[in-house]
Parts: sequence; C-alpha cells; structure tokens
Amino acid sequence: NAGVTQTPKFQVLKTGQSMTLQCAQDMNHEYMSWYRQDPGMGLRLIHYSVGAGITDQGEVPNGYNVSRSTTEDFPLRLLSAAPSQTSVYFCASSSDRVGPVDNSPLHFGNGTRLTVT
Amino acid sequence: ILNVEQSPQSLHVQEGDSTNFTCSFPSSNFYALHWYRWETAKSPEALFVMTLNGDEKKKGRISATLNTKEGYSYLYIKGSQPEDSATYLCASGGYQKVTFGTGTKLQVIP
Repeated sequence: NAGVTQTPKFQVLKTGQSMTLQCAQDMNHEYMSWYRQDPGMGLRLIHYSVGAGITDQGEVPNGYNVSRSTTEDFPLRLLSAAPSQTSVYFCASSSDRVGPVDNSPLHFGNGTRLTVT
Repeated sequence: ILNVEQSPQSLHVQEGDSTNFTCSFPSSNFYALHWYRWETAKSPEALFVMTLNGDEKKKGRISATLNTKEGYSYLYIKGSQPEDSATYLCASGGYQKVTFGTGTKLQVIP
C-alpha cells in the first residue's frame, strides 16, 4: 500500500532556482493539499484541490503554483526559490471531496525537506 | 478563538503516568475535529476524527472528547509508555480546509 508518495525527500536549491515537488496518491482520493511545516508555526496550508482541474489557495500560497491534471497527482511548483521557502513540505489527501470535514482524516506523505541558500 | 490552540506546548511524564492535552478551536462553522500523532522523522498519522458534540473516541490507551459548543477537545493517554512519545496535533476541519494547532510534544521518561 503506497498511500501518498512524495519526491524528492531532500532538496537544496539556490535562490532564484525553480523546482517541482511531486505528490502522488493511489487511494483515488479527490481531495489533495500541500502544507509547510516551520518551527513553532504548525502545519500551514499552501494550496489544495478538491478534484482534477480544480485548485485553490490556502493560507500561504505566495511563491507557489499547483495544478491537478489527474486525480492521482498534485505537484507543487516553486517558481523562484527564496530562503523564506526553506521548510518541510507535506502533501496530504482525503477521501472526502469537500475536504476532510466528515469522518475522513488526512493521509500524509513522508515530507520533502527543502533548503534554499 | 480565531485559531486552533493547543496546550501545553510540551510535557514530560514518567512511564505509567496518565496525561491529557487540550485543543481549543473556533466553535462557529464547525465541521470536524482531528487528532494526529506525529513521531519524529515520520509523517502525521490520524488518531481520531470527531464531528458531533459530546463525541468520545478511544483507541487502546488513548481517548478523546469533543465539546463543539464551547470549542474544545481533550486527548487522554492512560498509562503512558515510551512509545507514546510524539507530537500530538489537533486540527479543525473546515469546508475544504483543515487548520492545525502547533501541537503538544510529549516525552515519556522510562
């Protein structure tokens, strides 16, 4: 059971570089989301999607783009990396289409640790 | 309460002690309250999702209660074991979004 798979696990970027964090789930979940984890801040929502072709902004969307061309994949793009984007990124999915508002919890990937120098 | 707040931030307990944590959340527009267990170097794993006022959930030695009218939830661990050492996150599930607290870090001392 793969669940939610994130790649890469670690990445170091220089300021101004771009990259894509990959997220794939094999549970046929409609809802997918990206969070960042910073010390003392808790998990903060970057972007989310309630189905293929539908995305929306979360709490901290600036500097990030997402797309949802298939149910399985939800990549997160950093357009021009900045040191403030150094963080641990988690992808999470849920079986509830409107988001994890019923009895459906979030299923998390193992995270991507990103350092921007 | 505008955000999800958890207390205490951290605590140390002796093996065998029972303990509890608090999660406070906005009571308006409530949908669901989640508890997650997050071990170091791993990803958060769901413990409970509760939706109804008065809900009580139990998994082994861990249980949780929910009061949606006053906006709080308690997580209880009975007879703490070293393997219970982790950060416990609560989150308020809203329409299409989940808002997390900063967690309570528990260390159980053998």
